[in-house]
Amino acid sequence: DQQVKQNSPSLSVQEGRISILNCDYTNSMFDYFLWYKKYPAEGPTFLISISSIKDKNEDGRFTVFLNKSAKHLSLHIVPSQPGDSAVYFCAGVAPGNTPLVFGKGTRLSVIA
Amino acid sequence: DGGITQSPKYLFRKEGQNVTLSCEQNLNHDAMYWYRQDPGQGLRLIYYSQIVNDFQKGDIAEGYSVSREKKESFPLTVTSAQKNPTAFYLCASSSRSLRDTEAFFGQGTRLTVV
Repeated sequence: DQQVKQNSPSLSVQEGRISILNCDYTNSMFDYFLWYKKYPAEGPTFLISISSIKDKNEDGRFTVFLNKSAKHLSLHIVPSQPGDSAVYFCAGVAPGNTPLVFGKGTRLSVIA
Repeated sequence: DGGITQSPKYLFRKEGQNVTLSCEQNLNHDAMYWYRQDPGQGLRLIYYSQIVNDFQKGDIAEGYSVSREKKESFPLTVTSAQKNPTAFYLCASSSRSLRDTEAFFGQGTRLTVV
């Protein structure tokens, strides 16, 4: 039973345009969410996070939106750059000292 | 430099053999984790440890074992009981609460059964 779902395996966007990556979750206990970026044969690197008490968090070109009623979050990248081409993982965390639960990832390709 | 180190980067194992993957961190993190990545499967949790001498099973612990004798180290043994061990293995560490620090990942070990 997938607790975190990233229903788009891949996404292609032109350089300079907006990339929107979506994530849905089923575990209503999740109260903290993170996005990670991963290049092939490397470990994921942290991108941005959001607490469930917020509906938006912004860091430079990256903004994460959280819609708790819909159990949905999205990552916006504006403007998209070729170096953003990677696999993006959404993850949720429940209260207490519990580990990250990841989605299956979305492969973003930014075309020059 | 502080970080998390996995070794080796590539590992080949014959069927029926046990093999141990190393994970060391010098970030003074209490928590450590092992994930497995397969194509189209995302990152699945194998084991995690919140404190020395304690660890919990994740979603796919069967065929794996771990130890946490030191804060800095969390080795993963892939036993012969693991049916499909060929995968990319990722180790991570964090403070006990992921709200204080995000999880930092190592560079991964690709294990291939030959």
